[in-house]
Amino acid sequence: DIQMTQSPSSLSASVGDRVTITCRASQSISSYLNWYQQKPGKAPKLLIYAASSLQSGVPSRFSGSGSGTDFTLTISSLQPEDFATYYCQQSYSTLRHTFGQGTKLEIK
Amino acid sequence: QVQLVQSGAEVKKPGASVKVSCKASGYTFTSYGISWVRQAPGQGLEWMGWISAYNGNTNYAQKLQGRVTMTTDTSTSTAYMELRSLRSDDTAVYYCARDQTPSGIAAGYYGMDVWGQGTTVTVSS
Repeated sequence: DIQMTQSPSSLSASVGDRVTITCRASQSISSYLNWYQQKPGKAPKLLIYAASSLQSGVPSRFSGSGSGTDFTLTISSLQPEDFATYYCQQSYSTLRHTFGQGTKLEIK
Repeated sequence: QVQLVQSGAEVKKPGASVKVSCKASGYTFTSYGISWVRQAPGQGLEWMGWISAYNGNTNYAQKLQGRVTMTTDTSTSTAYMELRSLRSDDTAVYYCARDQTPSGIAAGYYGMDVWGQGTTVTVSS
């Protein structure tokens, strides 16, 4: 099984801050990595696919990078609507498209 | 607009089965796969599996193999997820989501771009 580990698990930041969330795979997954944002009581929303491609309609302050085992999601300037939980997900393994445990981004 | 609309909440007893539907509209159903994801109360996301709406090919999460079946009805643009032998730890919100990865590329590579509203399944005696 490919394990996905996100860090940190939670994060406090202020509006306007630059924030980086890290996702590490237990083995190489090439660029088979997606990022989602989820707000309480809502379905997840796709932000980044294939490690670094910005999903249509997603603000350009969101960016993704990495390949192999180490990936990052960066929010260049936090906005009030960005406070949510973020998940990475690998799709390299056919039998288990594992999610990371999530990173809760809270207002400082 | 493109949307997925799921069936309503279910309450089931341990050992029973549940079948959740996911009706697609606003796009050509057979051009995309459908993935299923669940989320237990207060927990993270768990991928359950994927089905091609084009040919019915499936990939199931190993831990659910033997208990889960995903199907589609192209005549009504509806996907279904059936989970059998329910246990209390199957209590969760179940989501269907469109996989926007084109056919010919590994499922999931381009991510899940449209999600249903979620169906709460409660397993309790």
